[in-house]
Amino acid sequence: DIVLTQSPALAVSLGQRATISCRASQSVSISRYNLMHWYQQKPGQQPKLLIYRASNLASGIPARFSGSGSGTDFTLTINPVQADDIATYYCQQSRESPPTFGGGTKLELK
Amino acid sequence: QVQLQQSGAELVKPGTSVKLSCKASGYTFTSNHMNWIKQTTGQGLEWIGIINPGSGGTSYNVKFKGKATLTVDKSSSTAFMQLSSLTPEDSAVYYCATEGAGWFAYWGQGTLVTVSS
Repeated sequence: DIVLTQSPALAVSLGQRATISCRASQSVSISRYNLMHWYQQKPGQQPKLLIYRASNLASGIPARFSGSGSGTDFTLTINPVQADDIATYYCQQSRESPPTFGGGTKLELK
Repeated sequence: QVQLQQSGAELVKPGTSVKLSCKASGYTFTSNHMNWIKQTTGQGLEWIGIINPGSGGTSYNVKFKGKATLTVDKSSSTAFMQLSSLTPEDSAVYYCATEGAGWFAYWGQGTLVTVSS
């Protein structure tokens, strides 16, 4: 299975930029498609799709969220961070079955 | 709008089975595959399997073969997952989620399963 590695936590100040990284154990890109996706999960809630195929904003997601990367290294950026963004963020790959998730990065306030 | 309404929390005994449901609305049920995902504090998020509501065809994570069985009832737009031979390691929140094209577009609210004697 492809292993996705995320830092467990990131502390950020409101109004600043947050950069959350995800590294895959092997490439998750095929041709021009980068098969990495990002989710936000708040306590007691289900995950919500933020970004699909590395850089495409899901429907209804604010433009302060963006994604980038290719191959094995991907980044989710939130700029500027708002109070409502405090949550845990997960990456997920669909390059190979089974789809796998990173362990999650908990975004915390400084 | 797409909604996935999952069944309520379950407290079950080891060795028994449980069947969870996920009722879909707001879209054509047979037009999107349905995934099931397990979440625990220790193991994080794990993909269990996927079902094609139109054909009933399924694909499972090897880890969950023999543990989970996915079915659908097209007449009620409901997907089901049966978990068998339950152990405490099966205690988790289980989600259904519609398939994007490799991503999980919409998620149910989750069902907490607790396996305890």
